[in-house]
Amino acid sequence: GQQLNQSPQSMFIQEGEDVSMNCTSSSIFNTWLWYKQDPGEGPVLLIALYKAGELTSNGRLTAQFGTTRKDSFLNISASIPSDVGIYFCAGLWPGDDKIIFGKGTRLHILP
Amino acid sequence: DTGVSQDPRHKITKRGQNVTFRCDPISEHNRLYWYRQTLGQGPEFLTYFQNEAQLEKSRLLSDRFSAERPKGSFSTLEIQRTEQGDSAMYLCASSSDRGQGYGYTFGSGTRLTVV
Repeated sequence: GQQLNQSPQSMFIQEGEDVSMNCTSSSIFNTWLWYKQDPGEGPVLLIALYKAGELTSNGRLTAQFGTTRKDSFLNISASIPSDVGIYFCAGLWPGDDKIIFGKGTRLHILP
Repeated sequence: DTGVSQDPRHKITKRGQNVTFRCDPISEHNRLYWYRQTLGQGPEFLTYFQNEAQLEKSRLLSDRFSAERPKGSFSTLEIQRTEQGDSAMYLCASSSDRGQGYGYTFGSGTRLTVV
């Protein structure tokens, strides 16, 4: 079946470091989305990507829609404590109307 | 508009009991989605509505699950004869029709614990 693989599963970094995470799909996507989820809350949309090759920034966050349409990455620059949480990639396959989520990358910031 | 609202936030129930959750979407959004999230996993699609029509149901939605959106506004998700495996966070999301800015707005979820 169709799969969405997200890596790494977890990251432990120092405050101020840059972070990179990625997602790959077994099939092409029309839309890639990146969400962040804090404990006990629903996911919040960070960045949406609609075209292959598209590079979009939102403050310290940058995400790209891979040219093969089967992958995407999210970078966070100069991490701060409030970046802690779970980051999910998600996307839409052509002809589908529902978003499919990866399993998440858990970001921890060491004191 | 205060976003997507879900009620209750937490529910503890005994195995075999029925439970019902409510979701109030963003008022101008015509699409409403239900997802389930278990510990350590991403949200998994259950079902979605466009206005009052239920357009798709996942295989995860067994016969014990039913969802309604009678007037195209709020939605309810009912689980009958709950089982311990139903313990999860149930998330509701809403969106307008697909286009630029597509991406759901999620509620804070209802955490169900079946004991």
